[in-house]
Amino acid sequence: DGGITQSPKYLFRKEGQNVTLSCEQNLNHDAMYWYRQDPGQGLRLIYYSQIVNDFQKGDIAEGYSVSREKKESFPLTVTSAQKNPTAFYLCASTPLGGGYTFGSGTRLTVV
Amino acid sequence: QQQVKQSPQSLIVQKGGISIINCAYENTAFDYFPWYQQFPGKGPALLIAIRPDVSEKKEGRFTISFNKSAKQFSLHIMDSQPGDSATYFCAASMKSSGSARQLTFGSGTQLTVLP
Repeated sequence: DGGITQSPKYLFRKEGQNVTLSCEQNLNHDAMYWYRQDPGQGLRLIYYSQIVNDFQKGDIAEGYSVSREKKESFPLTVTSAQKNPTAFYLCASTPLGGGYTFGSGTRLTVV
Repeated sequence: QQQVKQSPQSLIVQKGGISIINCAYENTAFDYFPWYQQFPGKGPALLIAIRPDVSEKKEGRFTISFNKSAKQFSLHIMDSQPGDSATYFCAASMKSSGSARQLTFGSGTQLTVLP
């Protein structure tokens, strides 16, 4: 079945650590996105990528970094510069001119 | 401003009733308005979407009403069922160069349908 796989489902980070969230898609979609979800705030765009080796900042990119070395993969690194990283992180992808497919998310908690 | 304002924040409806969720936008460049349904611990799933050249779109029990002049759109869930209990998000996007299409989301509505 085609879809988006996010891992891990739950992730715990200590203060000052960098952590990387994985996102893999087998839908052959061109564009990929990372959104952050906080209670009562909807989803906010962190980064997106239209093609391999290209990505753009979204509305809340500070403290995050991404890479797009393969069409299928768009990992997100939450750096120690992100002061409030506890949130639910969602990866998504779209084909050219098509709608979003979301992954099941990664819940990141700072301990 | 690219905001999309959604109301109410939470909604409780009896089984068989009609659930209505409203959204308003400011940017007239938006040309695609989807609604997403999200269950706890899961990613959002597309429920229904509309483009501004039509005033209403119906799919089963779900209907989007769109008022271009008022810059408002709403989701109506007819014959609401307990299985509809979820968080609903409206969103809006506009054409952009390249393959990506950024979505601007509303803040979400927590719907509870009582049995």
